[in-house]
Amino acid sequence: DAKTTQPTSMDCAEGRAANLPCNHSTISGNEYVYWYRQIHSQGPQYIIHGLKNNETNEMASLIITEDRKSSTLILPHATLRDTAVYYCIVSAYSGAGSYQLTFGKGTKLSVIP
Amino acid sequence: DAGVIQSPRHEVTEMGQEVTLRCKPISGHDYLFWYRQTMMRGLELLIYFNNNVPIDDSGMPEDRFSAKMPNASFSTLKIQPSEPRDSAVYFCASSGGSNGYTFGSGTRLTVV
Repeated sequence: DAKTTQPTSMDCAEGRAANLPCNHSTISGNEYVYWYRQIHSQGPQYIIHGLKNNETNEMASLIITEDRKSSTLILPHATLRDTAVYYCIVSAYSGAGSYQLTFGKGTKLSVIP
Repeated sequence: DAGVIQSPRHEVTEMGQEVTLRCKPISGHDYLFWYRQTMMRGLELLIYFNNNVPIDDSGMPEDRFSAKMPNASFSTLKIQPSEPRDSAVYFCASSGGSNGYTFGSGTRLTVV
């Protein structure tokens, strides 16, 4: 029972912004939106997460719609090293020993020179 | 910070042999997770611990798999006996709470 829907693949020109969408229409009020990426043969890498406000860090920006049913991960200036599979995950952190992330199939982002 | 350390990086073993994968989480992290990744099934959560206690092992495929966390700085995942279908990349991850996981580099297991 998938909680998120992402496109299977996307292309982005090097130097341009990469906008990766994610639908999570059944998200609950206490669930966060997490984004990870996995570069070939490496372990997944945490990018960013948010609850309802937009978030930005040194890697990316996360835009969450007001109804929280969808979000967009933005890589402002994509480089070839950003080619990876990007996972959007929703999960609640209860702080009471119940906390896990379930990975779907993600979006394969290819940055084109 | 050395990150999450897994060993060995690669393991090739014969069917029927015991395999032990090792993980050292980031100091201070109170969650530890074991995942398995295959082309067919993607990333699957096998088991996770909170403060060294197993919380959810529903992802462990069968009794041949076992995991332990004897202290806050060490965990093992054991497969006994191993089978060719256990061939996969096994990842360990740790977390200090809601700020996401840090994954290790993985152990690529090949059972022949």
